[in-house]
Amino acid sequence: AQSVTQPDIHITVSEGASLELRCNYSYGATPYLFWYVQSPGQGLQLLLKYFSGDTLVQGIKGFEAEFKRSQSSFNLRKPSVHWSDAAEYFCAVAASGNTPLVFGKGTRLSVIA
Amino acid sequence: KAGVTQTPRYLIKTRGQQVTLSCSPISGHRSVSWYQQTPGQGLQFLFEYFSETQRNKGNFPGRFSGRQFSNSRSEMNVSTLELGDSALYLCASSENRAEAFFGQGTRLTVV
Repeated sequence: AQSVTQPDIHITVSEGASLELRCNYSYGATPYLFWYVQSPGQGLQLLLKYFSGDTLVQGIKGFEAEFKRSQSSFNLRKPSVHWSDAAEYFCAVAASGNTPLVFGKGTRLSVIA
Repeated sequence: KAGVTQTPRYLIKTRGQQVTLSCSPISGHRSVSWYQQTPGQGLQFLFEYFSETQRNKGNFPGRFSGRQFSNSRSEMNVSTLELGDSALYLCASSENRAEAFFGQGTRLTVV
């Protein structure tokens, strides 16, 4: 079965600083990989996804993620964080397009001035 | 297109009661999935319906059930509510299962 680990429960960054959120997955083959963001009291919004091909994927709101097969990782990055990026971020994996999403526990991002 | 709509947004129920939550997917989407989100367990998959048939099921007790109608709208039902069922219940719809769009959720509080 697949599993997802987000090692950081809470991260605080200054506005304008760069950001990297870590995600490691456990799965024998290359899974479908996703990053979602959730603002308080809201549902999940898809930031980006990786299925195959170029290992660096661009998403919405200036986010990007890099798939590294050798490290079983799919880390999320943003070069300059804005205060509005404060939210909870979830990494998710699916074995294929026909299986449910398995989510990590999430990383809460705080942004300070 | 309108997004995924979940009703109601908030619910307070008493232990032992039952509850029904509703989800209207994005127009044209035939797959609807349900997830439970709690602080302790995180996001856990409940079940998925596609064209009125349950296609996948998570590891939840039989008190949790669902169904999907011919217009793709879905309902989930929880019978004999327990305090531990308090959670945010999220519905997601998808067209090709490669990208799920989530609703804002229904916050269920069991007292």
